Amino acid sequence: RKEVEQDPGPFNVPEGATVAFNCTYSNSASQSFFWYRQDCRKEPKLLMSVYSSGNEDGRFTAQLNRASQYISLLIRDSKLSDSATYLCVVIMQGAQKLVFGQGTRLTINP
Amino acid sequence: DGGITQSPKYLFRKEGQNVTLSCEQNLNHDAMYWYRQDPGQGLRLIYYSQIVNDFQKGDIAEGYSVSREKKESFPLTVTSAQKNPTAFYLCASNDPSRRGGGQPQHFGDGTRLSIL
Repeated sequence: RKEVEQDPGPFNVPEGATVAFNCTYSNSASQSFFWYRQDCRKEPKLLMSVYSSGNEDGRFTAQLNRASQYISLLIRDSKLSDSATYLCVVIMQGAQKLVFGQGTRLTINP
Repeated sequence: DGGITQSPKYLFRKEGQNVTLSCEQNLNHDAMYWYRQDPGQGLRLIYYSQIVNDFQKGDIAEGYSVSREKKESFPLTVTSAQKNPTAFYLCASNDPSRRGGGQPQHFGDGTRLSIL
């Protein structure tokens, strides 16, 4: 089983829709969680950290479910510019390495 | 502005040749990382360094070598032993000592390596 798993998609949704995707992790000792955004042929950029209590940044909401070992990303009122690949990232307690999911490709259609 | 600079942006390797990818950061970060990304795949860790003059193998270190002689620089050499080097190579850095660790990484804009 992979350490971090994501549904690769692609997800195709109309502009203005709400879209959500999950990421599961296998190691219960995982400590820190992040969502990165990667545009085509570009480097990943940090979108948001994921906190235990859940957190929101504008149209984006991230949640963590430790019992079921998954994190989620919700995008409301999606824009064309949200089209990208979203990478789930996990750091295990005491470790320096980040473990990346394979990414979920999202396309917002006009 | 602080950041991570990778060069070159595109690189072509002949068979049997070693090539070196440059990564420089002026963020004063202690830790630096090299990843490889293949089309439609996530990032896989090649090597990482938590401090000058020290580095550790990642998940796919075979066929690669690194050095960390300066805090700002972490060059990656793709050797002739790496039989499938065509990929997008990303360098990253962070400061693990802040807030007890678990800090996100900042990435350079990558180098695309292809075989001639």
